[in-house]
Parts: sequence; C-alpha cells; structure tokens
Amino acid sequence: DQQVKQNSPSLSVQEGRISILNCDYTNSMFDYFLWYKKYPAEGPTFLISISSIKDKNEDGRFTVFLNKSAKHLSLHIVPSQPGDSAVYFCAARDAGKSTFGDGTTLTVKP
Amino acid sequence: DVKVTQSSRYLVKRTGEKVFLECVQDMDHENMFWYRQDPGLGLRLIYFSYDVKMKEKGDIPEGYSVSREKKERFSLILESASTNQTSMYLCASSSFTGGREKLFFGSGTQLSVL
Repeated sequence: DQQVKQNSPSLSVQEGRISILNCDYTNSMFDYFLWYKKYPAEGPTFLISISSIKDKNEDGRFTVFLNKSAKHLSLHIVPSQPGDSAVYFCAARDAGKSTFGDGTTLTVKP
Repeated sequence: DVKVTQSSRYLVKRTGEKVFLECVQDMDHENMFWYRQDPGLGLRLIYFSYDVKMKEKGDIPEGYSVSREKKERFSLILESASTNQTSMYLCASSSFTGGREKLFFGSGTQLSVL
C-alpha cells in the first residue's frame, strides 16, 4: 500500500511557464512534507518543505501548497528554467521516517 | 556543507556473494538511513538508525542487515546477494533541528548482481 503517490511520471513545460508537480498521501499522521530534486548520477537534494500546520511555503521560485483535507500537496515552480529539469520526489515524514513517492521527471524546454 | 560519502559508485557482484555498502557522514548527525531507488518504485526505506548500535527496519528490510558501530558510519550488508537486489542504493543522514528535519543524501551506489 503506497502511502505517498505521485501520479504523473513525467511533465514537460516551456521555459518561463509554471511547472506544477502533484503529490497525494494517505497517512493522516504525516506531520511534515518535503520536496527533493534529483539530477542523474547524483543523490537527491532537499528543495523545500512544509509543516502540516501550514498551507503554503514559498522560497524564491518554489512554492509548496498543502491541502490537508484532500491529503494533497503540490510544488509550483515559476518561472521554470531549463536547469530545473530533474526528477522531483515528494516525501512525507512520520515518527522520524520519510516515505517517498515514485518521483516525477520534469523537463523544461528552452 | 554536509557531506555524505558512499564508498563505491558502481559495484558488480555475483549471486550469493556477501556485499558491504559503506556510508560515512561528516556532520555528526544522529540519524542515518539506507534507501534503494528503482524505476517506478521511487525511494524505499531499507533500514535506519537513530544512534550508534541502534537499528530499525524500514519498509523492505528482507535480505539486508546493517551495522552502526560509530556515529559517522552506517553500513548496509547483503548477506547473500540476489539478482533482485540490483538497484541504486542511497545513504542519507539527518538531525532533528526544531522538527525541520531534512535528509542529506550521498551520490548513490549502483549495484549490479549477476
């Protein structure tokens, strides 16, 4: 039973437009949500996070939205840049353990 | 900068071999984790450790064991490697800082079991 799901394996957007990556979860005990970015041949790196008591967190071009009633979070990147092309993993934390989604491969076309 | 170092970038082993994957972090983090990454399955937690000599099973511990004799080092052991353990293995460390825990990952070890 997958507790964190990213239903879109891939997403392609034009440079300068908005990228929206989605993530759904099932465990109500998750208290913290994070997004990681992964380039080929590298380990994932932390991008942005949000506590379960908030509904929005913004950091530069990146904004994460949390809808607790829908058990849904999303990552918005605006404007998208070619360097944003990577695999994005959604993660949710419970009792110190992070559970990851399958990842979404974002391609930003120049 | 936090550094998490995995000893090997690529490994090729034969079925039945005992395999050791080593991970070292330099930030005095309490927590260390081993994940494997497979296409379509994302990152799955194998084992984790909150302190020296402590270990906890993750979601897929079968066929694996771990060792944490020193705080900075967390080893993943495949007692008898099998072909279904061919995967990318990622080590991570973290510390609790006001509840805002984030993971720092190594570059990964691509293991092929023939």
